[in-house]
Amino acid sequence: GQSLEQPSEVTAVEGAIVQINCTYQTSGFYGLSWYQQHDGGAPTFLSYNGLDGLEETGRFSSFLSRSDSYGYLLLQELQMKDSASYFCAASNRDDKIIFGKGTRLHILP
Amino acid sequence: NAGVTQTPKFRILKIGQSMTLQCTQDMNHNYMYWYRQDPGMGLKLIYYSVGAGITDKGEVPNGYNVSRSTTEDFPLRLELAAPSQTSVYFCASSYGGPGANVLTFGAGSRLTVL
Repeated sequence: GQSLEQPSEVTAVEGAIVQINCTYQTSGFYGLSWYQQHDGGAPTFLSYNGLDGLEETGRFSSFLSRSDSYGYLLLQELQMKDSASYFCAASNRDDKIIFGKGTRLHILP
Repeated sequence: NAGVTQTPKFRILKIGQSMTLQCTQDMNHNYMYWYRQDPGMGLKLIYYSVGAGITDKGEVPNGYNVSRSTTEDFPLRLELAAPSQTSVYFCASSYGGPGANVLTFGAGSRLTVL
């Protein structure tokens, strides 16, 4: 089967840095994406890793290690508006995109 | 551009009724996907399509059907609705395959089956 594991909840302080981890087990893995979803809203794309290493987009960075079947999303300079759920998603060679169950990020002032 | 448009936004169905959730995109994307999201959970892939005339099953296809007669439209049909199909349904599209699949999501359709 295919599965992605990520922590259900993470809490951090405003202005700090937080890392959300994701481990995956998929057949025909191609790349790892990250999406943000605010309550009542639709998921929105944040970042994609097709190769090992770090991708940086403003305050958000994402990392992939294929040998470890592992990736993470790093959020810096946390703002209250970053309170949301974050999903990792695996793209496979059969064109399926499979999502993890999501990590709810709580930010304390 | 409207992006991905889903209708209806809300719907209540009785057990055994059927309905179609509409999804249309105006970005000329080849790939389209249907997901369902239960409260506090991730998104489960129902069906997907890599182009007009081509559809494939995802993780949870039972109880659903799809068609893709045009590039723009990807309707999801629920036959004989059951309470287990109460969920929020998201349609998404992307331009290309695994290496170019930034998903753009519609606003979602909240379905309740009573």
